[in-house]
Amino acid sequence: QVQLQESGPGLVKPSETLSLTCTVSGASIDTYYLSWLRQSPGKGLEWIGYMHGSGITNYNPSLRSRVAMSVDTAKNQFSLEVRSVTTADTAVYFCAREVLSRFPPYFDSWGQGTLVTVSS
Amino acid sequence: DIQMTQSPSSLSASVGDRVTITCRASQSISSHLNWYQQKFGQAPKLLIYAASTLQSGVPSRFSGSGSGTDFTLTISSLQPEDFATYYCQQSYKTPRAFGQGTKVEIK
Repeated sequence: QVQLQESGPGLVKPSETLSLTCTVSGASIDTYYLSWLRQSPGKGLEWIGYMHGSGITNYNPSLRSRVAMSVDTAKNQFSLEVRSVTTADTAVYFCAREVLSRFPPYFDSWGQGTLVTVSS
Repeated sequence: DIQMTQSPSSLSASVGDRVTITCRASQSISSHLNWYQQKFGQAPKLLIYAASTLQSGVPSRFSGSGSGTDFTLTISSLQPEDFATYYCQQSYKTPRAFGQGTKVEIK
């Protein structure tokens, strides 16, 4: 059974870079589409983007200028960076696997989520 | 971008009630519609994908229908563990988008 776990600092200062890692266990990530999402009271659930284990990325245009994703297949990990953060980036951040099969895509496995607060 | 609108935003119901939640897309998304349940402090859990296919392990009291722009999630007989927030999500195009959620509360 695949499991996902987010990790990273819970507090980031304004204008700095938010960095999170999603560690995947129970399956190799080579063929994964791994999405990052976030949830805040003001904006609900927001899709940040996805990365495939091959390195292909697709970012939400609303965040594209500040976001970068990467993958380390040796460690079975995906990473997220959000640059120049503001208080509006305060949210619970999730990683989730998106399944692309004979059905339309869906998120079938999620990490537990990690709260990131942007504050000085 | 595709916008997803759910109604109602909240509802109160009793155990045993039939509950219906609707989701509307701002353009046709065929059957590329998924439903999730989220309880407080937890990640969303997939209930239904491709508009009407029940995820493995999800009770059969949950069902989904619709295509194009209008979709429905139905809980045929509400159980105590079903009190939660429900989200629809389109996977027709990127950026992926979610509805604002429907909170199901105990009457």
